[in-house]
Amino acid sequence: GAGVSQSPSNKVTEKGKDVELRCDPISGHTALYWYRQSLGQGLEFLIYFQGNSAPDKSGLPSDRFSAERTGGSVSTLTIQRTQQEDSAVYLCASSPGDRGRYTFGSGTRLTVV
Amino acid sequence: RKEVEQDPGPFNVPEGATVAFNCTYSNSASQSFFWYRQDCRKEPKLLMSVYSSGNEDGRFTAQLNRASQYISLLIRDSKLSDSATYLCVVTGPSGTYKYIFGTGTRLKVLA
Repeated sequence: GAGVSQSPSNKVTEKGKDVELRCDPISGHTALYWYRQSLGQGLEFLIYFQGNSAPDKSGLPSDRFSAERTGGSVSTLTIQRTQQEDSAVYLCASSPGDRGRYTFGSGTRLTVV
Repeated sequence: RKEVEQDPGPFNVPEGATVAFNCTYSNSASQSFFWYRQDCRKEPKLLMSVYSSGNEDGRFTAQLNRASQYISLLIRDSKLSDSATYLCVVTGPSGTYKYIFGTGTRLKVLA
C-alpha cells in the first residue's frame, strides 16, 4: 500500500479482555516495528521484525504482550488480559531495511476501562 | 540518565522568530540522528536527518556535535504551521536498528 495502515484506529476494551492490533506495512518494506506512546510521553520500543530473522522482543513490557508477523507482511500485536496501564497509542512503523528510515502508521488508540 | 533528553517546552514564539532546540544523547557510539515532527494526536513524521557536517532544508538547519553528544534544530522565520512537537531520534551503534526517541519539545508559534 501507499502507507502504513493500522487497525482499528480506536479501541475501547474492558480490563481483563484480550485485544489484537493490526499493522499492514508499506509493500516491500522488510522491517517492521511496534512502539507505544502514553499520554505526554515519548515512544517506547516494543518489538522489531526484520525479514525472516527472529524478532527482537526485548521491549515487550510483560508476557501478556506478543506479536507475530505472517508472511513477512502483516503484523498483529496481541495484548492478553488488558490492564489500565496498557492504555496508550500503539504505533507501527516500517522501513525498507534495518537501516532505513521509519514510516509510521496513524496508530491505534487503546483505552482500557 | 535518559538515553535521549529534550527540554519539553513549550517554546512560545511569535511568527517570524528564530527558535532552536537541543537534544542530548548518552551513547557515544550512536550512529544516526534524526528530527521527527509530531502534530497533536498524529503519528511522527520524519523532518530531517542530521549529518555530521550539519545540513539545511529550507528554513530548518540541523547540527550534530559528537564531542558534546548533542544535536540541534534551528527554525528560522517561524510559521504558524510549525507548531508541533519535535522529536529527537538517535540510533544505536552500527548494526543497531532501534530508534530511540526523546520525549519531544513542544513548539507553539503565535500570531
